Amino acid sequence: AQSVTQLDSHVSVSEGTPVLLRCNYSSSYSPSLFWYVQHPNKGLQLLLKYTSAATLVKGINGFEAEFKKSETSFHLTKPSAHMSDAAEYFCVVSDDFQKLVFGTGTRLLVSP
Amino acid sequence: NAGVTQTPKFQVLKTGQSMTLQCAQDMNHEYMSWYRQDPGMGLRLIHYSVGAGITDQGEVPNGYNVSRSTTEDFPLRLLSAAPSQTSVYFCASSYSYDRGPYNEQFFGPGTRLTVL
Repeated sequence: AQSVTQLDSHVSVSEGTPVLLRCNYSSSYSPSLFWYVQHPNKGLQLLLKYTSAATLVKGINGFEAEFKKSETSFHLTKPSAHMSDAAEYFCVVSDDFQKLVFGTGTRLLVSP
Repeated sequence: NAGVTQTPKFQVLKTGQSMTLQCAQDMNHEYMSWYRQDPGMGLRLIHYSVGAGITDQGEVPNGYNVSRSTTEDFPLRLLSAAPSQTSVYFCASSYSYDRGPYNEQFFGPGTRLTVL
């Protein structure tokens, strides 16, 4: 069975500094991996997805993630945080692409 | 396109009451699903459907019922509400795997349910 561990429940950064949200996964075979973002009182929006085509995946709003099979990791990064990035971020894994398994989420706080 | 819509946005129930959460999509997606979101637990799959007339259980199906009579609609029924069902419920939809793998799932805005 697949699972996801998000290593930090909260991450605080200053505007203009880099963002790193950490995610480790467990899967019986080659997984599909996703990052979703949820702004307060909103639904979820797909940031990016890994589907084995390339290990470095670029998403929307300047975010990217690198798939590292040897470390079973799929960390999300952004070079420079913006106030509008403050939200909750979910790392998601799927062996069967239609059944998503969510991590517990990381709340990103961005201070001026 | 309205995307995925959910009604109501908020609902308060008493223990033992029943109700139906509505979900509709206008993207002609075959796959639809329901999740619940609880603090510190991420989203968990309740039920899903791969097409009209076909439904199956997810991770936390107890206390919930679904049916899929049309491609567009996928209602979630609470048969006898319990305080443990207080949660935020999200509906999602996507194209089926037959149309290509790794299709994005689109989420509705959610229904916040409180059971007293």
